[in-house]
Amino acid sequence: QKEVEQNSGPLSVPEGAIASLNCTYSDRGSQSFFWYRQYSGKSPELIMFIYSNGDKEDGRFTAQLNKASQYVSLLIRDSQPSDSATYLCAVHTGGFKTIFGAGTRLFVKA
Amino acid sequence: GAVVSQHPSWVICKSGTSVKIECRSLDFQATTMFWYRQFPKQSLMLMATSNEGSKATYEQGVEKDKFLINHASLTLSTLTVTSAHPEDSSFYICSARALAGAQSTQYFGPGTRLTVL
Repeated sequence: QKEVEQNSGPLSVPEGAIASLNCTYSDRGSQSFFWYRQYSGKSPELIMFIYSNGDKEDGRFTAQLNKASQYVSLLIRDSQPSDSATYLCAVHTGGFKTIFGAGTRLFVKA
Repeated sequence: GAVVSQHPSWVICKSGTSVKIECRSLDFQATTMFWYRQFPKQSLMLMATSNEGSKATYEQGVEKDKFLINHASLTLSTLTVTSAHPEDSSFYICSARALAGAQSTQYFGPGTRLTVL
């Protein structure tokens, strides 16, 4: 089992819809969770981080964390074509290593 | 967010030459820096982790004599690709982490695209 798992996609949603990106992790001692966005040919940029169970909202983005289920998700409301990118989930484990998922490719159709 | 710079942003070199890539944290002190490599349409691959003033820790399969990493200060790390070959052509990305512990965050540099002819 991979330490951080994401569906590779592609996930295709129409413009204006909600895109839901999911991530599961194996280390129960993990404490910090991050979402990065990577456009093709560019390096990853940090979108959000979350430490506590529940939801955290920032503009059109909402991160959701459920430590009991070892699950973290990112919701993008009112998706725009400019949101089309690969989204990387990263987990800071109990051993203080940051493990990245392989990423989910998102396409937002105009 | 914190700013990480890389130089050069792209480089083309002849096979057999060495290339040095610099990574700087501009507005924070990076206790740890990471070097990644990414081939087209593939995932980030961690090459090595370096802490200021100590030797880098290389991931399995990464040749330490070929990819020399120096982390001489809290704001600068360098990666030197020695005797580069065409198969080393890739997108090299550094990342810096400001704090140790549970709430540390990694910030990425813009990447360096290396092409070896």
